Amino acid sequence: AQSVTQPDIHITVSEGASLELRCNYSYGATPYLFWYVQSPGQGLQLLLKYFSGDTLVQGIKGFEAEFKRSQSSFNLRKPSVHWSDAAEYFCAVGIMNYGGSQGNLIFGKGTKLSVKP
Amino acid sequence: DTEVTQTPKHLVMGMTNKKSLKCEQHMGHRAMYWYKQKAKKPPELMFVYSYEKLSINESVPSRFSPECPNSSLLNLHLHALQPEDSALYLCASSQPAGTQYFGPGTRLTVL
Repeated sequence: AQSVTQPDIHITVSEGASLELRCNYSYGATPYLFWYVQSPGQGLQLLLKYFSGDTLVQGIKGFEAEFKRSQSSFNLRKPSVHWSDAAEYFCAVGIMNYGGSQGNLIFGKGTKLSVKP
Repeated sequence: DTEVTQTPKHLVMGMTNKKSLKCEQHMGHRAMYWYKQKAKKPPELMFVYSYEKLSINESVPSRFSPECPNSSLLNLHLHALQPEDSALYLCASSQPAGTQYFGPGTRLTVL
């Protein structure tokens, strides 16, 4: 069965420090992979996605993620964290259904990022 | 433009009320989704519409009734809800099998 694991429930980093959020997935085929960010009480904003091609993908707000098939991982990174990055981060794998007419998302449980001044 | 709008932002209703949540997108997407999100949890898929037809119902109780009047609009009709239905309700849209874009959500409180 498809699944997504985010092993870190809560991470605290200092402003200006680097960040890596981990994501591992279980999926039988080549996955579509996503990272979304959610501020409290808000909707989900797409940070970046991987469908195919270059395994290092760039996203918005200075985030990047690297797809490693051998490790079934899609970790999110940022070289220098800003206080405004404090939020909940969700990794998700997209799966096809019903002849590819739509894709469903399987979410990880999320990682809450806190930023120390 | 990747905007999905949802109204209302907040909704408080009693257990005997009937209310509706509305979602709209003008990106030409042909798949639309309803998710329910409880505090500190990831979103849970409720319904999927593909080309205005209901294609997935994730065993959602009948007190939730979705409707897709056209390719831009998605409604969620609520009736006789329970307090445990209080949650953030998120709408999303996508091209078929494409990237899902989410709205800001409706915060629902059932008294």
